[in-house]
Amino acid sequence: NAGVMQNPRHLVRRRGQEARLRCSPMKGHSHVYWYRQLPEEGLKFMVYLQKENIIDESGMPKERFSAEFPKEGPSILRIQQVVRGDSAAYFCASSLSGTGVKGNTEAFFGQGTRLTVV
Amino acid sequence: AQTVTQSQPEMSVQEAETVTLSCTYDTSENNYYLFWYKQPPSRQMILVIRQEAYKQQNATENRFSVNFQKAAKSFSLKISDSQLGDTAMYFCAFLFMNRDDKIIFGKGTRLHILP
Repeated sequence: NAGVMQNPRHLVRRRGQEARLRCSPMKGHSHVYWYRQLPEEGLKFMVYLQKENIIDESGMPKERFSAEFPKEGPSILRIQQVVRGDSAAYFCASSLSGTGVKGNTEAFFGQGTRLTVV
Repeated sequence: AQTVTQSQPEMSVQEAETVTLSCTYDTSENNYYLFWYKQPPSRQMILVIRQEAYKQQNATENRFSVNFQKAAKSFSLKISDSQLGDTAMYFCAFLFMNRDDKIIFGKGTRLHILP
């Protein structure tokens, strides 16, 4: 009964490279949320996906960032041409159904990927 | 937009003491959930306690309890008989009810339990 799995746990990229962060939700979960945590800050919402659909990307920068959650396989958060300001911990959470709907409040979090841009 | 404010960036208390963490929020909605999450050094986000806004009774989970003041939009967390393992970041969070939406977090309070 694995929880939400994120990999890698730590990722170091040079400026200008691409970063790919993976999130495998809990078994049976079809809703995925990505958050970014800057040092000494709270979790800032980035994007909400269901299988093959982006539901809400209001928190994601318009440029260089993209996310997908294909029918098969993990959800991917992709950051192109990384800059130092992208250094942060990126968390993924999954839910059986949309959080807030029909009393569902259970969002299970992974342990995050710490991205360091050098 | 909904906002969650935690005014105490950092706190320290002696082991076995009681500590209260503050949280205020802003919303025009009437139906929502409020949460406290704990993030220890491992970075794992752990749900500590949950409150439904329509319930007047304050939620309690063992040593953790909340003081929910809906009119004041205040949601504080009380930790009784604090333990060294309570050392962590604590985040207050908000979620709309009956709407497919995301959880909104405050900036957190870093709590140190001193031996």
